Amino acid sequence: QSVLTQPPSVSGTPGHMVTISCSGSSSNIVSNTVNWYQQVPGTAPRLLIYHNDQRPSGVPDRFSGSKSGTSASLAIGALQSEDETDYYCAAWDNGLNAYVFGGGTKVTVL
Amino acid sequence: QPQLQESGPGLLKPSGTLSLTCIVSYVSISSGNWWSWVRQAPGKGLEWIGEIYHSGITNYSPSLKSRVTMSIDTSKNEFSLRLDSVTAADTAVYYCARVTASGGGWMYYFDYWGQGALVTVS
Repeated sequence: QSVLTQPPSVSGTPGHMVTISCSGSSSNIVSNTVNWYQQVPGTAPRLLIYHNDQRPSGVPDRFSGSKSGTSASLAIGALQSEDETDYYCAAWDNGLNAYVFGGGTKVTVL
Repeated sequence: QPQLQESGPGLLKPSGTLSLTCIVSYVSISSGNWWSWVRQAPGKGLEWIGEIYHSGITNYSPSLKSRVTMSIDTSKNEFSLRLDSVTAADTAVYYCARVTASGGGWMYYFDYWGQGALVTVS
């Protein structure tokens, strides 16, 4: 049972937008910034979004993050076949004094 | 940019001790960042194990705290993970990663990762 809750899967058609939700609590998402990682199976995770909505260099602007209250979201606009992989949200949890991840969401491009 | 590389035995027997080292290249491990370990069991999500600072200060996941020890060797620019009394549930890919953080946990994320090391307990 992950501290942060994500839907196991989302799907969308090429060129359209999909959104992944991440639900937490006052001890994590409300109090601290949220990050998103992209992971192609068999490879290491890659930082996609940090500080709620910031993109590292090299991340396409199709990827955007937001946060409101106890939830955060990752939006993938203009979906491409290469976006079909796993995505994780994460944040520091003040109650646990630990970094916590969501369970991960698999994006399928139809 | 930093490069991280995990090394260590890939196969352990139950009740044994897992030992992994992360060699950091192209940046000093004393640069002011924390350094962390994350694991991923087969087909499962990511799990934070803990972190260490160049001074030796550590912070461990509550669920693993009783079995985990992290150490750091600034002269070799590497840090290590030790996990005692392993079971099949500890079978996972273990990643080392660099932490960028400020304001305590307010802004905390991993910006560089190693490629991962599969450790099987059997």
